[in-house]
This record gives sequence, structure tokens and C-alpha cells, in this order.
Amino acid sequence: GAGVSQSPSNKVTEKGKDVELRCDPISGHTALYWYRQSLGQGLEFLIYFQGNSAPDKSGLPSDRFSAERTGGSVSTLTIQRTQQEDSAVYLCATRQNTEAFFGQGTRLTVV
Amino acid sequence: AQRVTQPEKLLSVFKGAPVELKCNYSYSGSPELFWYVQYSRQRLQLLLRHISRESIKGFTADLNKGETSFHLKKPFAQEEDSAMYYCAMGEAAGNKLTFGGGTRVLVKP
Repeated sequence: GAGVSQSPSNKVTEKGKDVELRCDPISGHTALYWYRQSLGQGLEFLIYFQGNSAPDKSGLPSDRFSAERTGGSVSTLTIQRTQQEDSAVYLCATRQNTEAFFGQGTRLTVV
Repeated sequence: AQRVTQPEKLLSVFKGAPVELKCNYSYSGSPELFWYVQYSRQRLQLLLRHISRESIKGFTADLNKGETSFHLKKPFAQEEDSAMYYCAMGEAAGNKLTFGGGTRVLVKP
């Protein structure tokens, strides 16, 4: 593919439901990052993967958040029992050498 | 702990005026510093990196290790420079990439 692809682009969910966000990285990129972009909050680090392992999960806001990566490729970010404060744009990025390439993001709205 | 600070949330300047976006970092090692930009309805993308010592779209940034700063400058702002700018720091490829809170630049005609 031409770049990092995220799906869905938009997700509206009811409070309390679980959601799964997907990131398809650029082929061959070993490092993969998840960030959350909230209005007025900038870019908040959530987790990053080196291959399939996650050396740093320190940014996950609570135990309702989890992420996995399989085959060194696709990654999914799962939010359980969503809350209204989870509403944000979730960005995925992959990195090879030094430059990071971002997806278009998933806009999550919890109603 | 790694930290990147952008003290200004919003910078508003007139076209043709100079613009400087401040970025300070804290890290015990030798960091790699970057500036990323997000134009309206576009993806976040790399603007420049300190190791390249390049000028992109008229922007330059100098790493000052003594002041732990990596400020972004442009002598004559253009309307198309209006965007959200993020300073970022990484150890090396494949390691944690930390972003600042972002600065929104508005260039008025």
C-alpha cells in the first residue's frame, strides 16, 4: 500500500460498548505507534510496538485500553466499556529509519 | 523521562512577518529532534529533522543542546503556513517517539 491505513475512518459508539480500531502499516516498517489526538490536548502517546512486542505501554490511559500486533504487521487498538472521555482521533504511525508516517486517523465519538 | 514542551498553543502572525515556534526537550541521552506539521484535513507529516540541517518550505530549526531547545523559525510567514505544528523527539529508529502538545499557527493576510 501507499501509506499507513486506518479503519474505520469514523466510529460512533454508545457508552459502555467495546470498539476495535485497526492499523495497517507500511510494509516492512518494524516500529508502530498509537497516539490519541484530542481537541486542545495535542498528541498523546499511547503505546508503541517493535515488531510484535510492546516495549512501552506507559501511555495507555487505563486497563480498558489494550493493543496487539500480529505478524509484525497489522495492529489493533481495543477500548473496552467506552466512556465519553475516550472520544478523540486515534492516530497510528509507523517508522523505518527516522521518519514516522501517519495514518489518517480514526475519529471515535462515544455518545 | 523524555518530555517535549511547546509553550505556545497558538501563534497568530501577519503574512510576511517572522514566526518562531518554541520547543524544549528533556532527555539524558542524545535525542533526534523533528518538526511535524498537520495542514487542515491532511495527515500529520514530517516537516524537517535536525540531523538533516535542511530548510523546508523556508523553515529552519537549530538544535541547541545547551538550552535543550529546537525552535522552528521562518523569516517571512505565508498564509499556507497556517497549520498545527508538533515538535517530536526520538532516541533512534524503532524507539519511542514523543510529541509536544502542538502549536497552532495562524497566518493572517
